[in-house]
Amino acid sequence: GDSVTQMEGPVTLSEEAFLTINCTYTATGYPSLFWYVQYPGEGLQLLLKATKADDKGSNKGFEATYRKETTSFHLEKGSVQVSDSAVYFCALRGSAGGTSYGKLTFGQGTILTVHP
Amino acid sequence: GAGVSQSPSNKVTEKGKDVELRCDPISGHTALYWYRQSLGQGLEFLIYFQGNSAPDKSGLPSDRFSAERTGGSVSTLTIQRTQQEDSAVYLCASSLAPPDRAGETQYFGPGTRLLVL
Repeated sequence: GDSVTQMEGPVTLSEEAFLTINCTYTATGYPSLFWYVQYPGEGLQLLLKATKADDKGSNKGFEATYRKETTSFHLEKGSVQVSDSAVYFCALRGSAGGTSYGKLTFGQGTILTVHP
Repeated sequence: GAGVSQSPSNKVTEKGKDVELRCDPISGHTALYWYRQSLGQGLEFLIYFQGNSAPDKSGLPSDRFSAERTGGSVSTLTIQRTQQEDSAVYLCASSLAPPDRAGETQYFGPGTRLLVL
């Protein structure tokens, strides 16, 4: 079935450091890909998304590019801030006919802590 | 406008009791989803509603779990004869359109934290 694998955390960075959180997926067809973020004490929020190969999603300085050839959707940010400390989830929603059609399949989450 | 709301925000119950969790989706959203977030299993899909029907119930872990949606709006997730392994945060999400629209975004509620003693 469809699945998502994220790099293991936790990730600890200093402010203004470069961030990469790796995400790879297994899916049939052409899934949509998402990054969700969960700030401390808050619910899941959509951070960015991409719906087809080579699409780049971006928001709040974060970017991720849908790479079908490597089945990846790595999250990057050039200069992190303390306020970016949160748990980040990579997710896919399968295309029609696949096992993940409709529902989101999530990675295990990566805890990011940014120190001043 | 208002987001997805869930109630109660916290629920403590004794093993063997039944619990009901409620979700109010964003007004006008036709699709509604339930997920569960637990330490051991991460985020897991439970069930998906389109209108009042549930085309995908594949994530419900046992027949103790059921859900319904009435009037194409509010949904209730019921867990019968709760067990300690049911302890988790239960999340509800809704989306404006059916998921066959690529990239259709699911908006999540704050969750109900369930603790079974």
